[in-house]
Amino acid sequence: GAVVSQHPSWVICKSGTSVKIECRSLDFQATTMFWYRQFPKQSLMLMATSNEGSKATYEQGVEKDKFLINHASLTLSTLTVTSAHPEDSSFYICSAQTGAYYEQYFGPGTRLTVT
Amino acid sequence: QQQVKQSPQSLIVQKGGISIINCAYENTAFDYFPWYQQFPGKGPALLIAIRPDVSEKKEGRFTISFNKSAKQFSLHIMDSQPGDSATYFCAARAGGRNQFYFGTGTSLTVIP
Repeated sequence: GAVVSQHPSWVICKSGTSVKIECRSLDFQATTMFWYRQFPKQSLMLMATSNEGSKATYEQGVEKDKFLINHASLTLSTLTVTSAHPEDSSFYICSAQTGAYYEQYFGPGTRLTVT
Repeated sequence: QQQVKQSPQSLIVQKGGISIINCAYENTAFDYFPWYQQFPGKGPALLIAIRPDVSEKKEGRFTISFNKSAKQFSLHIMDSQPGDSATYFCAARAGGRNQFYFGTGTSLTVIP
């Protein structure tokens, strides 16, 4: 149980284009999902908290107009990287929250490369 | 400010040995302490977790030891195997809040 999927698993896009990443909880409903960014050999950096039916809460320093988050249902959250630049290249990971202690279950991640 | 401090940054252990990773925190509002295992190119996977009302939790070869007074908790991997080679993250959650605070990670290598 508690499986989270992400799509795509990797994507290459050209500078200036937009990319959408989907995060789905497959066997549970998640009121809250999180989006993280991870650089090589580093820890998880929380970008935003996504609550179903409401606006996402962004961490300090994260551009909300660049990283658009939509949590349209209890099983789906999307992250759209708008006008991508090479510095946006990274590993993006989502997680979905469930359980008595609000455990976070992570997706497999999406490798974004902007050329 | 790092809410959860994790050490060591990297660890090399012989097959069959015990791997020990330590984490420390200051915020007494933390009420849930999970450990995650991450393989290269994959998302973190919940490995084991503990609440502060118990001092130890064991699941198979993995054990969490929790010292509430010292505000420290550690992961012990018994009989370490090459397949355990991965990055391990400790985390802590503040009661009443959604947000988890992650440690900086420990890269574990188990050599045959």
